[in-house]
Amino acid sequence: GQSLEQPSEVTAVEGAIVQINCTYQTSGFYGLSWYQQHDGGAPTFLSYNGLDGLEETGRFSSFLSRSDSYGYLLLQELQMKDSASYFCASISGGYNKLIFGAGTRLAVHP
Amino acid sequence: EAGVVQSPRYKIIEKKQPVAFWCNPISGHNTLYWYLQNLGQGPELLIRYENEEAVDDSQLPKDRFSAERLKGVDSTLKIQPAELGDSAVYLCASSPSPDGPRELFFGEGSRLTVL
Repeated sequence: GQSLEQPSEVTAVEGAIVQINCTYQTSGFYGLSWYQQHDGGAPTFLSYNGLDGLEETGRFSSFLSRSDSYGYLLLQELQMKDSASYFCASISGGYNKLIFGAGTRLAVHP
Repeated sequence: EAGVVQSPRYKIIEKKQPVAFWCNPISGHNTLYWYLQNLGQGPELLIRYENEEAVDDSQLPKDRFSAERLKGVDSTLKIQPAELGDSAVYLCASSPSPDGPRELFFGEGSRLTVL
């Protein structure tokens, strides 16, 4: 089957750096996307990795290692507004299927 | 540019009643998705449309769920009859086809409570 695993919860303090890991088992893997979702809100796209390596977008960076079936989202200079759920999602099946992980709930404390 | 619009935002019904959700995707986005999201879980795909064609409905429980996108623009998802286990958030998303599913634009969702 196809699955993604990520930690259920992460806690950090304002100004810190946090890394959310994601391991995947998907056939025909194409790439990995990351989404943020605040409580009661819509998931919003953060980043995409189609190739191995690091992608940087402002305070957020995402990394992919195809050989390890592993990726992570790195959030720097954490702010209270970063408290949300973060989902990794794999694209597979000939670039047609997007499967989400169960999500990681990030709590940022003062 | 307007985002993905869904209605209603909230719906409370009794079990065995029908319910319908409507979605208007971002203008020009040919691909439309319906996802189901249970509390504390990631979105799960129900159906994907390319224009008016349902190209992936393998996860849609066809005994009670149906969907349509007649003119390749807006879409309706229907449940009849609803069961207690259908209580969830129903998310609609769209993407421009050339970009594939790497970046989906989601609506706020329709939260269904079945009593």
